[in-house]
Amino acid sequence: DIVMTQSPDSLAVSLGERATINCKSSQSVLYSSNNKHYLAWYQQKPGQPPKLLIYWASTRQSGVPDRFSGSGSGTDFTLTISSLQAEDVAVYYCQQYYSSPRTFGQGTKLEIK
Amino acid sequence: EVQLVESGGDLVKPGGSLRLSCAASGFTFSNAYMSWVRQAPGKGLEWVGRIKSKTDGETTEYTAPVKGRFTISRDDSKNTLNLQMNSLKIEDTAVYYCTTGGKLFDHWGQGTLVTVSS
Repeated sequence: DIVMTQSPDSLAVSLGERATINCKSSQSVLYSSNNKHYLAWYQQKPGQPPKLLIYWASTRQSGVPDRFSGSGSGTDFTLTISSLQAEDVAVYYCQQYYSSPRTFGQGTKLEIK
Repeated sequence: EVQLVESGGDLVKPGGSLRLSCAASGFTFSNAYMSWVRQAPGKGLEWVGRIKSKTDGETTEYTAPVKGRFTISRDDSKNTLNLQMNSLKIEDTAVYYCTTGGKLFDHWGQGTLVTVSS
């Protein structure tokens, strides 16, 4: 199984500042035949189901604000929120869909400083 | 608008069985791969399994901890996804989410709570 490890476990950022969450996979999630990284990011607000934010490591899902961006390659990936808004308080998860079983990171809790 | 509504969650004793359902609407259910993802109280997300569309063989796949105990099925005539859970263990206690997709999960229901306790 591919193990996904996020850092940090929790993060406090001031409103308007940048938030950065890291995700590391235990093996590459790059499929060489199409040069795509099988890596997604989800946001889960309190009391709600998760919401897909980003797939293919850097493609924003329709309707997701452009302050959210994904980057990275190979085994190291980053979710960046360029200017933190109050409504971004949530737990964020990365997930690999390169192989089965699909696996998630342990989550990063993002709060306002 | 895609809607997924889970039902069937309950309190059950260890060793018992439970059947969850997910009513889908707002998309062509018969063409969709569907999955179940669970979340233990206060914990992270765990993929449970998925079922392909009928045209792709309706094959299923499961995570190791539930293999042989859980069965995913679908009824395309009713736009319904099912999860039959047998030989339930305390560690199966979780909110169970129905999702669209077999690899990444682009729509989620609100979830249904399964509690396994004596």
